Amino acid sequence: DTGVSQDPRHKITKRGQNVTFRCDPISEHNRLYWYRQTLGQGPEFLTYFQNEAQLEKSRLLSDRFSAERPKGSFSTLEIQRTEQGDSAMYLCASSRDSNQPQHFGDGTRLSIL
Amino acid sequence: AQTVTQSQPEMSVQEAETVTLSCTYDTSESDYYLFWYKQPPSRQMILVIRQEAYKQQNATENRFSVNFQKAAKSFSLKISDSQLGDAAMYFCAYRSALYNNNDMRFGAGTRLTVKP
Repeated sequence: DTGVSQDPRHKITKRGQNVTFRCDPISEHNRLYWYRQTLGQGPEFLTYFQNEAQLEKSRLLSDRFSAERPKGSFSTLEIQRTEQGDSAMYLCASSRDSNQPQHFGDGTRLSIL
Repeated sequence: AQTVTQSQPEMSVQEAETVTLSCTYDTSESDYYLFWYKQPPSRQMILVIRQEAYKQQNATENRFSVNFQKAAKSFSLKISDSQLGDAAMYFCAYRSALYNNNDMRFGAGTRLTVKP
């Protein structure tokens, strides 16, 4: 396993801009998850995919957030019209199936100026 | 809704000693999974140990072991023979065993410092 890969590692942008993050899960992992982690807190679940289907979205995922996993492989998380409160670490994780542990990537740290 | 509480924001331990990190959770479900994850500074989160609620035997992974008390809804992590590399944030997490419920709930974390 090469591990879960996230790109970019850091993103600095001005308030109001759109940003997109990418996550490449461990190959053959059907499930892919997005979390948000603010300083001093544990990760908070945002959404997850089973292959290409987005099966669950947290109420934290406002309409400015959209996630895709078009071919059941990599996933993208887009935030439109970014706000100061969006500043956080965005973590991606994958698992082989629902009963297996989730493996996390290094995360993308988003800073809103 | 399930909640996970870690009541110790910070803990410290002397190298080679033993330390126990506390975690309690609240749920009405009978079947679920519990995890401890380790997050070193600026590094990715790593699974330390996992416990299935239906198993009475406490999970063990080398120097890491848990004390799972289902009735008390308690899930503490014991680190034996602490090493400098154990210094990190430790997160306790809960996940339902229901097929379509993949919402893993994390506690706020405990920062562990290991003193040489």
